[in-house]
Amino acid sequence: EIVMTQSPATLSVSPGERATLSCRASQSVSSNLAWYQQKPGQAPRLLIYGASTRATGIPARFSGSGSGTEFTLTISSLQSEDFVVYYCQQYYNWPGYTFGQGTKLEIK
Amino acid sequence: EVQLVESGGGLVQPGRSLRLSCAASGFTFEDYAMHWVRQAPGKGLEWVSGINWNSGSTGYADSVKGRFTISRDNAKNSLYLQMNSLRPEDTAFYYCAKDMSSLSGYFIDWGQGTLVTVSS
Repeated sequence: EIVMTQSPATLSVSPGERATLSCRASQSVSSNLAWYQQKPGQAPRLLIYGASTRATGIPARFSGSGSGTEFTLTISSLQSEDFVVYYCQQYYNWPGYTFGQGTKLEIK
Repeated sequence: EVQLVESGGGLVQPGRSLRLSCAASGFTFEDYAMHWVRQAPGKGLEWVSGINWNSGSTGYADSVKGRFTISRDNAKNSLYLQMNSLRPEDTAFYYCAKDMSSLSGYFIDWGQGTLVTVSS
């Protein structure tokens, strides 16, 4: 099983600043990496796929980068609605997709 | 508009069975792979199972292999998850999720989830 590790577990950032979330895979997943945002009481929402492609309707302040085992989700100029939980997911290994444990973005 | 509506959740005793359903609308169901993803209350996401467009390829997480069976009925625009030998650790919200295409592996649309509670 490919283990996905997100860091940090909680990230404190001020509104208007930039947030950088990390995701590491236990083995290479190439660019088969997605990011999701989950607000309280809601289903997750796809933000990024292919490590760096924004999903339809996702604001440009969300960007993804990386390949192999190291990935980053960057949120520039944080808005109030961005302070929620983010998950990475690898889809390199079928049938064995796995998620990271999540990073909670909180207001500093 | 894509809609995915799960049903069939509830309270069940350990060792018993439950069948979840997901009714899909707003897109051509048979063109897409579909998945089940679960989330224990207050915890992270776990992919459970997936199925390609014609049921020719199915996959399961190790945690449910041999106990859960995924299926679909393209004529009824419906996805199912038969869950047998349920355990307390299966307690979670179960989400139906639409693949980007045919087993691309990431989930572009999600239902609102149905809660399964396994407890005596």
